[in-house]
Amino acid sequence: NAGVTQTPKFQVLKTGQSMTLQCAQDMNHEYMSWYRQDPGMGLRLIHYSVGAGITDQGEVPNGYNVSRSTTEDFPLRLLSAAPSQTSVYFCASTRDSSYEQYFGPGTRLTVT
Amino acid sequence: AQSVTQPDIHITVSEGASLELRCNYSYGATPYLFWYVQSPGQGLQLLLKYFSGDTLVQGIKGFEAEFKRSQSSFNLRKPSVHWSDAAEYFCAVGGNTGNQFYFGTGTSLTVIP
Repeated sequence: NAGVTQTPKFQVLKTGQSMTLQCAQDMNHEYMSWYRQDPGMGLRLIHYSVGAGITDQGEVPNGYNVSRSTTEDFPLRLLSAAPSQTSVYFCASTRDSSYEQYFGPGTRLTVT
Repeated sequence: AQSVTQPDIHITVSEGASLELRCNYSYGATPYLFWYVQSPGQGLQLLLKYFSGDTLVQGIKGFEAEFKRSQSSFNLRKPSVHWSDAAEYFCAVGGNTGNQFYFGTGTSLTVIP
């Protein structure tokens, strides 16, 4: 049981490049979320999903896309990276009955 | 609007001393409240949660928290801090839909010997 996995751990992008942050969970959780963590800002919700085929926006969705084709995977896409997207990104899945979130180890993204 | 306030950005305590981390929330419905801990370079781990019932809840690693509805607070406590408790602590609030949680900005804890 690997829990929540994220790849890559580190990434450097140039402004305007695109990339996908991968997230997978093996706990059969319906709910999954993407957060970004910035100094002094805590964690802010980017997008979330309540099940395969269903996604919705969180607090800071601009510049990010998500899809949920399977229960296990919830990738986050940056279409045209900007320096303001330099951050640490966390994926989480939520245990349905307890609302306990399980977090991945994070992806540290730098956009130059 | 939903929000969480952690008024203390950084706290330093001596090993063996007691600890209290403050959390105040604003939420339009019955809140589900959580405390998470984040060690350097790691993801977040759940310490404890409150949904209903007894307002004093026990968590892992000897932590407890008390829900006070009248004060909209959910403060985290530990009677005796260990050096390994040095970390960042986040309070979070959510509802019963399980899909949107709001986090505070965190409190960084330093433990001195």
